[in-house]
Amino acid sequence: DGGITQSPKYLFRKEGQNVTLSCEQNLNHDAMYWYRQDPGQGLRLIYYSQIVNDFQKGDIAEGYSVSREKKESFPLTVTSAQKNPTAFYLCASSPEGGPRQYFGPGTRLTVT
Amino acid sequence: KQEVTQIPAALSVPEGENLVLNCSFTDSAIYNLQWFRQDPGKGLTSLLLIQSSQREQTSGRLNASLDKSSGRSTLYIAASQPGDSATYLCAVEGYSSASKIIFGSGTRLSIRP
Repeated sequence: DGGITQSPKYLFRKEGQNVTLSCEQNLNHDAMYWYRQDPGQGLRLIYYSQIVNDFQKGDIAEGYSVSREKKESFPLTVTSAQKNPTAFYLCASSPEGGPRQYFGPGTRLTVT
Repeated sequence: KQEVTQIPAALSVPEGENLVLNCSFTDSAIYNLQWFRQDPGKGLTSLLLIQSSQREQTSGRLNASLDKSSGRSTLYIAASQPGDSATYLCAVEGYSSASKIIFGSGTRLSIRP
């Protein structure tokens, strides 16, 4: 089955700890994206990558970091510098030049 | 700066009714507009995508229209069913960067049996 997987589904961390969220796709898509969703709000773009070994900041990149060493993988690290990290995190991918994004099931991160 | 607004934030209707969800955007220079469905605690599923040159798209009981000049889109759901209960988000993609999509905050739809 082709698709996007995110793990884990739920993640709990103590304040001050870095945490890495996984995103893997086997759709052979070039572009990958990370979004954050807060209750009652739309999605906000954190980082995106259009090709391996390259990525750009989105609208709310502060306190986050990413890497794109492989086409299939785009992990997101939430650092201790992120002031309000508790949220629902969604990963997406799209084919080169394609407007339609395909979303993973999301990871709910809770930091206490 | 593009802003996308969806009103109302929540809507509850009895089963069988036809309904319309609204989406408005401030910058009419869009590349496309998409409607997504999101079930609680889940990711997004793309329902319909309308290119800037198109006026509407249909899929089954769903019909989405686009009026760029007025900055509006509607999602029409015919003969609503309890399984249609979900949050519906619209999102626009601009020409300035093909990688950035701006989302509305969604309309939470509840269909009462």
